[in-house]
Amino acid sequence: DQQVKQNSPSLSVQEGRISILNCDYTNSMFDYFLWYKKYPAEGPTFLISISSIKDKNEDGRFTVFLNKSAKHLSLHIVPSQPGDSAVYFCAAIKNAGNMLTFGGGTRLMVKP
Amino acid sequence: NAGVTQNPKFQVLKTGQSMTLQCAQDMNHNSMYWYRQDPGMGLRLIYYSASEGTTDKGEVPNGYNVSRLNKREFSLRLESAAPSQTSVYFCAILVWGTEAFFGQGTRLTVV
Repeated sequence: DQQVKQNSPSLSVQEGRISILNCDYTNSMFDYFLWYKKYPAEGPTFLISISSIKDKNEDGRFTVFLNKSAKHLSLHIVPSQPGDSAVYFCAAIKNAGNMLTFGGGTRLMVKP
Repeated sequence: NAGVTQNPKFQVLKTGQSMTLQCAQDMNHNSMYWYRQDPGMGLRLIYYSASEGTTDKGEVPNGYNVSRLNKREFSLRLESAAPSQTSVYFCAILVWGTEAFFGQGTRLTVV
């Protein structure tokens, strides 16, 4: 039973437009959420995170929104660039220092 | 990725063969993890080690063993490889209690 789900396996967006990647979770004990980006033949790299006490965190072109009541988070990329084309994983953790649980990933393709 | 080194990068095994995947970190963090990545399944935790001398099972531990040799090294062993273990394996360390840094991965094919 997946506790973290990314229901869209792929997303295609035009360069300059907004990319919205979604993630749902089932475990209300998760208290920290992260997004990772992965290029082929490389390990995932950390992108942005949000604590459960916040509903928004912004870092440059990347913004993560958290809706605790809906158990839903989203990653917004504005404007999207071809270099953003990658697989994006959302992840959740309960109690710092414990294990990260990942979603299945969404492949983002940004077309020039 | 800086700080976490995995070896080998690629490996092909025959069913029933054994091998050890090596992972070493130079960031002096306690928590180390082994994940496998399969299409559509994301990253699934195999085993983790919260500190030197301790190991715990993750979501998919069957068919694997681990060893936390010291603070730097965390190895993953397949005693008798099966085709279902064909995957990309990632070692990771957890820093600041929340953020993971990953190695570049080991692509394993079991034929």
